[in-house]
Amino acid sequence: KQEVTQIPAALSVPEGENLVLNCSFTDSAIYNLQWFRQDPGKGLTSLLLIQSSQREQTSGRLNASLDKSSGRSTLYIAASQPGDSATYLCAVASNDYKLSFGAGTTVTVRA
Amino acid sequence: NAGVTQTPKFQVLKTGQSMTLQCAQDMNHEYMSWYRQDPGMGLRLIHYSVGAGITDQGEVPNGYNVSRSTTEDFPLRLLSAAPSQTSVYFCASSYRAGPFNYGYTFGSGTRLTVV
Repeated sequence: KQEVTQIPAALSVPEGENLVLNCSFTDSAIYNLQWFRQDPGKGLTSLLLIQSSQREQTSGRLNASLDKSSGRSTLYIAASQPGDSATYLCAVASNDYKLSFGAGTTVTVRA
Repeated sequence: NAGVTQTPKFQVLKTGQSMTLQCAQDMNHEYMSWYRQDPGMGLRLIHYSVGAGITDQGEVPNGYNVSRSTTEDFPLRLLSAAPSQTSVYFCASSYRAGPFNYGYTFGSGTRLTVV
């Protein structure tokens, strides 16, 4: 069974600081890994999708890396803003129909 | 392009009542699934479908039924609601093209309270 762990569980930083969110998974036989953002009381918004054959993906201030052999992914958010405050979820796809989720990292960016 | 639409957004049920949570997607995605999100438990897979007419159980299927008569719709039925089914329910869809699955799109969720 795929186990996904996200560290830290919570993070508070001043505005402008770079954010580093970690995700680890136990089974390296994955299809892809997806990072989501969830605001309180809201749904999941997809941020980045990394296929198993890729090493990283970038979108604006966001960059996600994938090291399948060590079972790790890292989400970097550059120059954080108060609007980045949310919970970030890492999800690993071991097949086409099931995602295994981490518990999330709750980020607070202080103005 | 609406994406994944879930209705209702909020629902309160009494123990023993039944109801159906609706999910529809307009992206012609073949894969659809239902997750529940509980504090401290993360998101867990209830049921999934790999195409019209094909469904299967996920991690926590007890107390729920699904069917998929069309590509677009994937309703989740609560047979006899219990307080343990108080949760936030998310529907999601995905598709594969060639060697790649192109990731999941989630609906905005249904907050269900069973009293």
